[in-house]
Amino acid sequence: NAGVTQTPKFRVLKTGQSMTLLCAQDMNHEYMYWYRQDPGMGLRLIHYSVGEGTTAKGEVPDGYNVSRLKKQNFLLGLESAAPSQTSVYFCASCDTNTGELFFGEGSRLTVL
Amino acid sequence: KQEVTQIPAALSVPEGENLVLNCSFTDSAIYNLQWFRQDPGKGLTSLLLIQSSQREQTSGRLNASLDKSSGRSTLYIAASQPGDSATYLCAVWGGSNYKLTFGKGTLLTVNP
Repeated sequence: NAGVTQTPKFRVLKTGQSMTLLCAQDMNHEYMYWYRQDPGMGLRLIHYSVGEGTTAKGEVPDGYNVSRLKKQNFLLGLESAAPSQTSVYFCASCDTNTGELFFGEGSRLTVL
Repeated sequence: KQEVTQIPAALSVPEGENLVLNCSFTDSAIYNLQWFRQDPGKGLTSLLLIQSSQREQTSGRLNASLDKSSGRSTLYIAASQPGDSATYLCAVWGGSNYKLTFGKGTLLTVNP
């Protein structure tokens, strides 16, 4: 019973490097989300998707790109990492029948 | 724009006490409200989901209420235990968009 799985769980990058975070869910949910969580700032929505092939911007989309080529996967990319992107990133999927959100365990990213 | 506020930001209680966590939101046009628990270094775990048509939900020692007209929800924890120590977050899902808005959480410490 995997639920929402994020990879990698930890990553250290140098400024300017690129990387991709992968989120996979096995619950056949249409809606998926990427959040970042920073001390004192709470959870902020980066991008979201309401179905395969769709993406939309959240509150803090700058510096990130996303893709939803398959319903079960939602990828978050950083093309040129900056120290301000040091954060814990959470992926979530939503059961649209109830509105209940299910979260992954998080990915801790440090940009030096 | 929906804003969610949680009071208090931190709470420390002795084991066995009953306690109440508060959540308020500015736009009463919500689809549902969800309470989450987050342990240090972990993802968010859904505790209770209240649909906009409901007044309360119960799970074990937890009871969540919703007063949509006044923009308030409370999470009641009975007979608190040290294992209840965590950050508790509430989130509301607006009726006209696909996004949850989170409060910044209440850090609960239950002392043995």
